[in-house]
Amino acid sequence: DGGITQSPKYLFRKEGQNVTLSCEQNLNHDAMYWYRQDPGQGLRLIYYSQIVNDFQKGDIAEGYSVSREKKESFPLTVTSAQKNPTAFYLCASSIVTGSYGYTFGSGTRLTVV
Amino acid sequence: RKEVEQDPGPFNVPEGATVAFNCTYSNSASQSFFWYRQDCRKEPKLLMSVYSSGNEDGRFTAQLNRASQYISLLIRDSKLSDSATYLCVVNRVNDMRFGAGTRLTVKP
Repeated sequence: DGGITQSPKYLFRKEGQNVTLSCEQNLNHDAMYWYRQDPGQGLRLIYYSQIVNDFQKGDIAEGYSVSREKKESFPLTVTSAQKNPTAFYLCASSIVTGSYGYTFGSGTRLTVV
Repeated sequence: RKEVEQDPGPFNVPEGATVAFNCTYSNSASQSFFWYRQDCRKEPKLLMSVYSSGNEDGRFTAQLNRASQYISLLIRDSKLSDSATYLCVVNRVNDMRFGAGTRLTVKP
């Protein structure tokens, strides 16, 4: 079955540490997205990519970095510059940018310890 | 003003009740509209798209009013399994905007 796989499901980060969240899709979707969700808030866009080797900042890109070396993969790195990284991170993909509903991965819950 | 606004609820209703959620959006150029369902600590899942003429999927009916920039979701004959947070979603050019969600609890 096609879908999006995020790993790990839970991740703990120490202060000053960079961590990378994995997102892989086998849906042959062109567009991929990273969102952050905090309790009681809507999803906020971190980065998105429409094609391989190209990506754009979203509303809250500071302290995050991404790469898109393959169509199937869109990893997110949470750097030490992100001062409040504890959140639920969701990766999504779509057939074309913005026009169709997204398919989401099951998410990664990141906690700073 | 947020781009997509929803009443956060919570809505607490008995089984069998009819419940309606509303959503307003600020970008008049938006073309695509959706309702997503999100269970606690899970990812959002597409419930239904919303079309200008209104559309129905079983017990769920979605309506769009472009003039008022307003979207609604009606759930008839509520089931316990309908308990979740419902997210209103509106597209932009390159991505989509999510409302913060309306929480529904259906009680026996």
